[in-house]
Amino acid sequence: AQRVTQPEKLLSVFKGAPVELKCNYSYSGSPELFWYVQYSRQRLQLLLRHISRESIKGFTADLNKGETSFHLKKPFAQEEDSAMYYCALNRLRAGNMLTFGGGTRLMVKP
Amino acid sequence: ETGVTQSPTHLIKTRGQQVTLRCSSQSGHNTVSWYQQALGQGPQFIFQYYREEENGRGNFPPRFSGLQFPNYSSELNVNALELDDSALYLCASTPSLGTGGLARNNEQFFGPGTRLTVL
Repeated sequence: AQRVTQPEKLLSVFKGAPVELKCNYSYSGSPELFWYVQYSRQRLQLLLRHISRESIKGFTADLNKGETSFHLKKPFAQEEDSAMYYCALNRLRAGNMLTFGGGTRLMVKP
Repeated sequence: ETGVTQSPTHLIKTRGQQVTLRCSSQSGHNTVSWYQQALGQGPQFIFQYYREEENGRGNFPPRFSGLQFPNYSSELNVNALELDDSALYLCASTPSLGTGGLARNNEQFFGPGTRLTVL
C-alpha cells in the first residue's frame, strides 16, 4: 500500500528565508508525485508535479527515489506563500487516484 | 469555462441518516473523484467515476456509494451515517482519460467542498 508522510504540521519562517517542506512516500512501484496548495479561503489546487520538473512561484521539488522523498523548496519565502501544502502520490497508470499526506501549514512572517 | 461546483456548502445530519452530496464537474472533464478530509488531515480517496462507471475505490465501506450522470455530474451517497463521517467532502474532476484509464493530463481540479456534520 502507498503512504505519504509530511512530518511537519506547521512550518514558520520569516520573509526572505529559505523554505523546505518535507515529503516522504512509500510505494513499491513507480509513483507520480505532486504538491497541492490551499490558500486561505480558496480551494485546493495543483502547485507542481515531478514529471514536469517545473518551477512554479519560485518553488521546486525533486523526486529522490533513493530516499523516497519529494521535498518542496523555495530559496526566499514570501508572505503570500503562507498556505496549507499537501504532498500527494499517484500510482502510475492508476487513473489518477491520489494518496495525500497530512499537510504542512506554512506561515511566512513579515 | 466554469469550475467544479459542489452542493450543499454545509449539511448537518444525525447518526443513522442518509446523505447525498452533489458535484458538477468542470466543463470537458469526464472523470470525477471524491475525497473525504477529516479535520486536520489530508484528503482521503473514496472512489472515482469514469463514464458513469466506478473506476477505482479507496478503503471505504459499501455504505459510501456514488453515481455519475451522462452530463458528468456526480453524487456521493452515504448511508447509516456515523459520527466519524463528519468531514469536508471534496469532489475533483480530471480531463478525459486515455485508452486503458491512463490520464493524459492528470491534474485534478477540486471543488470547494461540502462540510458534513453528523450529530
